[in-house]
Amino acid sequence: AQKVTQAQTEISVVEKEDVTLDCVYETRDTTYYLFWYKQPPSGELVFLIRRNSFDEQNEISGRYSWNFQKSTSSFNFTITASQVVDSAVYFCALSEAPQGGSEKLVFGKGTKLTVNP
Amino acid sequence: EAGVTQFPSHSVIEKGQTVTLRCDPISGHDNLYWYRRVMGKEIKFLLHFVKESKQDESGMPNNRFLAERTGGTYSTLKVQPAELEDSGVYFCASSQAKGGGFIETQYFGPGTRLLVL
Repeated sequence: AQKVTQAQTEISVVEKEDVTLDCVYETRDTTYYLFWYKQPPSGELVFLIRRNSFDEQNEISGRYSWNFQKSTSSFNFTITASQVVDSAVYFCALSEAPQGGSEKLVFGKGTKLTVNP
Repeated sequence: EAGVTQFPSHSVIEKGQTVTLRCDPISGHDNLYWYRRVMGKEIKFLLHFVKESKQDESGMPNNRFLAERTGGTYSTLKVQPAELEDSGVYFCASSQAKGGGFIETQYFGPGTRLLVL
């Protein structure tokens, strides 16, 4: 069965600090996708990144970077030089690629990040 | 291009009443998903439409929930009669048609906050 664990419920940092949000997943499939979404105080879920199971290259986008390690079933998210606007709840999600099936997302419980000025 | 929209943004009803939530997906997206987040828990999958057909409704909690997607455009989710445990945030997401096991990114709407008193 699929499962996503975000062990950090809440994290609080001071602006300009680096912060890493952990995500550990479980799946029996060899083909799957991992996602990160951001939920700012306004409530919508904003897509940040998608990774497939065959691509373990780390990705960097501005101050955001993602470290995908199949050996530890982890897909961690790092924000460098955090800013107040990064304050949000961050969700990690997993989707398998069933033949003709539904690509439903399985979410972790989310990590609430607060960046203080 | 307009994103996924949901209506209403908030709804407060009494136990036993009926509520209908609406979702307008991104234009041209064949896939439409409903998810729900009950207070303090994970965001959980409810069901998946491909155009007007239900691809997967394994997450629907019980027969008090009815989802439709007439004409393959917008979708409605009706709760009748509503119970206290139905309170939560209902998210809708849409994605383009998939092919060959490739999973498309799901883009989410802002959610409808439902409170059943």
